[in-house]
Amino acid sequence: QVQLVQSGAEVKKPGASVKVSCKASGYTFTSYDINWVRQATGQGLEWMGWMNPNSGNTGYAQKFQGRVTMTRNTSISTAYMELSSLRSEDTAVYYCARGWGFDIWGQGTMVTVSS
Amino acid sequence: SSELTQDPAVSVALGQTVRITCQGDSLRSYYASWYQQKPGQAPVLVIYGKNNRPSGIPDRFSGSSSGNTASLTITGAQAEDEADYYCNSRDSSGNHPNYVFGTGTKVTVL
Repeated sequence: QVQLVQSGAEVKKPGASVKVSCKASGYTFTSYDINWVRQATGQGLEWMGWMNPNSGNTGYAQKFQGRVTMTRNTSISTAYMELSSLRSEDTAVYYCARGWGFDIWGQGTMVTVSS
Repeated sequence: SSELTQDPAVSVALGQTVRITCQGDSLRSYYASWYQQKPGQAPVLVIYGKNNRPSGIPDRFSGSSSGNTASLTITGAQAEDEADYYCNSRDSSGNHPNYVFGTGTKVTVL
C-alpha cells in the first residue's frame, strides 16, 4: 500500500543539525511533491516547505529560509529534511506528507532539542 | 503570509450535526482541505477540493466554501469523530507555492 515511513526519534543539542528521512513506497516517488510539516507538543500544524523529487526544486516557508534544506535520493525513494542551528523551540514532531493534497502522511519523527 | 483562523473548540451531541469553520483571505482564491488528527497519530485527509472525500472517509463528512470561509460539516457525528480538525490551503502570497494550516478545532462528541 501507499505509505511514507520516517526515521526514528532524535535528541539534539542546541546549535546542532538534524536530518529526518521519509521513505516512500507503493507509488512512483517522483510523481508527487513531498511536503514537511511540524507540530510542537499541544500545538497546531506548521508547514515548513516542499520538494519536487523529480527536479529537486524546493520551496521553503519564510520562517525557515536559511535553516532548512530538503533533498532526495530517487534511487531509494527517500526524501530528507535537514534543519540546522537547532533551538529549544524546534522541539516537535516532524511529518512528511505527499503532494499538494497532503493525502498520505508519514508516522512522524520526534525531534527533541535539549542541552 | 496568510493566516487561517478556526474556532478553538466545539462540541456536538452524538448523532447530531456540527460545522467547523476556517477563515482566511487565501480561501477567496483556493479551496481548503481538511484533516482529522487523533491524539498521538498523524493527520488524515478527510476533505479536499470543492467537496471530495478520499477513499475510506465516511460520507457524513462534507465540505463547502463561501467567500473567505471554508466549512467542514459532520452530519450525524459518531464517537470516533472526536479529534482535532485542521484546514489548510495554498497561500496566495510568495513567488513559489506556499501552504498554510489553520489554527485547529478540537471537536468533542458528547
